[in-house]
Amino acid sequence: GDSVTQMEGPVTLSEEAFLTINCTYTATGYPSLFWYVQYPGEGLQLLLKATKADDKGSNKGFEATYRKETTSFHLEKGSVQVSDSAVYFCALGAMDSNYQLIWGAGTKLIIKP
Amino acid sequence: SQTIHQWPATLVQPVGSPLSLECTVEGTSNPNLYWYRQAAGRGLQLLFYSVGIGQISSEVPQNLSASRPQDRQFILSSKKLLLSDSGFYLCAWSRDSLTGELFFGEGSRLTVL
Repeated sequence: GDSVTQMEGPVTLSEEAFLTINCTYTATGYPSLFWYVQYPGEGLQLLLKATKADDKGSNKGFEATYRKETTSFHLEKGSVQVSDSAVYFCALGAMDSNYQLIWGAGTKLIIKP
Repeated sequence: SQTIHQWPATLVQPVGSPLSLECTVEGTSNPNLYWYRQAAGRGLQLLFYSVGIGQISSEVPQNLSASRPQDRQFILSSKKLLLSDSGFYLCAWSRDSLTGELFFGEGSRLTVL
């Protein structure tokens, strides 16, 4: 069945460092891909999404490109801030699963000043 | 604009006691509604989802149940809590299944002692 694999955390970086959080997926069809963010003590919120191959989702300085050839949707940011400290979830939604989101395990990001 | 509220935010309950978590969505009609559980340090587990009043789909058999008595109200219940029911419970809604975009509540932290 469909699945999402994220790099394990926590990921600890210094402020202004470059961020990459890896996400790869397995899907039989053509899923939509998402990154959600969960700040401490809060619910999740959609960060960005991409619905077809080669699409690039972007928001708040974060970017992720839908790479069908490598089945990846890595999250990147050029210069992280302390306020980016959160848990990041990669997810996919596909017709085969009636578009119920399939979630990665989440990656905790810690940014030190 | 649409909003989602869930309560209580924090709950400490003894083993064997009942549970009721409530979730209400405002500003939209006929939303898809979801209950997720997030155990400490782990990802999201879909517990229930509903596409309409009285229509509940269970993803994981357990001692929890869900009900949707009104279009925009979703309730998570248990008759007798177990220690393993401790976790962070998240309610979410979506306009439809196709976009994969979920809007989450603030979460309810349940500790069973």
